Amino acid sequence: AQTVTQSQPEMSVQEAETVTLSCTYDTSESDYYLFWYKQPPSRQMILVIRQEAYKQQNATENRFSVNFQKAAKSFSLKISDSQLGDAAMYFCAYRSEEYGNKLVFGAGTILRVKS
Amino acid sequence: DVKVTQSSRYLVKRTGEKVFLECVQDMDHENMFWYRQDPGLGLRLIYFSYDVKMKEKGDIPEGYSVSREKKERFSLILESASTNQTSMYLCASHSQGPTDTQYFGPGTRLTVL
Repeated sequence: AQTVTQSQPEMSVQEAETVTLSCTYDTSESDYYLFWYKQPPSRQMILVIRQEAYKQQNATENRFSVNFQKAAKSFSLKISDSQLGDAAMYFCAYRSEEYGNKLVFGAGTILRVKS
Repeated sequence: DVKVTQSSRYLVKRTGEKVFLECVQDMDHENMFWYRQDPGLGLRLIYFSYDVKMKEKGDIPEGYSVSREKKERFSLILESASTNQTSMYLCASHSQGPTDTQYFGPGTRLTVL
């Protein structure tokens, strides 16, 4: 079965600095998708970034980028120029075609941003 | 704008009560999901539905059932609530279009006393 591991329960970053959140996953499949979702306090979960496993190029969305290492089964999220609004719980998630559209989530990382 | 709504943000029930959690999406999505979110465990899939009247068990279906009579509405039912079902419940629907992502509702925090 697929599993997703986020080894950092909490992280802190100074405003305007860069922070990297870690995620590793376990799968025997070759074709899949990886996601980072953000859940702000008392607000809805939203998609931050998506990566298709067949693409070698790392996905980027403005200040958010990923470091996708397929062989190592690693998918970290880098947030540059951190802002107070980035404070949230971040979840890494996995999805494969063989598993339908179901997402497998990691335990989450709480990100605190200090002003 | 994409919208997924859940019937309650907070709910308090007593052990043994039958509980209904409702989720509505306005995007004509076929796939809908119910997750349970607990600290340190992330989100775990309870049930999902590929279409009207179609449902499949997720990873933790015990103690839950679902109903999908209309495409836009997906209900989670706790037949006899227990204290270990105290949790945050999140509904999601999946877009297979260009965005190819799951859209989440605001969540229902259920407390069973």
